[in-house]
Amino acid sequence: AQKVTQAQTEISVVEKEDVTLDCVYETRDTTYYLFWYKQPPSGELVFLIRRNSFDEQNEISGRYSWNFQKSTSSFNFTITASQVVDSAVYFCALRQVNDYKLSFGAGTTVTVRA
Amino acid sequence: GAVVSQHPSWVICKSGTSVKIECRSLDFQATTMFWYRQFPKQSLMLMATSNEGSKATYEQGVEKDKFLINHASLTLSTLTVTSAHPEDSSFYICSVLSSGSPDTQYFGPGTRLTVL
Repeated sequence: AQKVTQAQTEISVVEKEDVTLDCVYETRDTTYYLFWYKQPPSGELVFLIRRNSFDEQNEISGRYSWNFQKSTSSFNFTITASQVVDSAVYFCALRQVNDYKLSFGAGTTVTVRA
Repeated sequence: GAVVSQHPSWVICKSGTSVKIECRSLDFQATTMFWYRQFPKQSLMLMATSNEGSKATYEQGVEKDKFLINHASLTLSTLTVTSAHPEDSSFYICSVLSSGSPDTQYFGPGTRLTVL
């Protein structure tokens, strides 16, 4: 069984603050994929990143960075110098290597105030 | 540009009627598409996996006779909500597996269904 937990329901920050979104997962598989998606108010999910379980290198893309720690089953996401356009619901997701079905966390609503 | 489109983007219907939602892959052929449902302020729940040329695979608890899925071509899957009731009101989202990068799902913009 797979499970993704996003303990933070809502986070509110002021523009230019950094914000970190937590994601903890459970899986019996030794290899798997982890994802982050952004869902802005328009509703369309936007793919942000995919991480293979065997690659624990952290990744940075512009103001976004991800910290993957297999030892603690966590895949946290940080937005640096947040902007109002970052306001959205962010979902962490997990899937097995041989099964394309995604298991989503509950999502974290990020509100960035000007 | 958009990779996946959905039509309509929103629909309001009377209880008891049927509603068809289309999901189109715009940039590539998709042998596999997924249908999700999202209630307000909740996460996405997978309803079914749509396979081109074969029957869809439904998740546990999803009524296959109520949510009819047809994947007739490599670029189109349809979800028909039959005899809709107010509790079927939700945000329906499809996703497509890219043939070139099958590890990533691309999501459509969603269809908001309101059943009166």
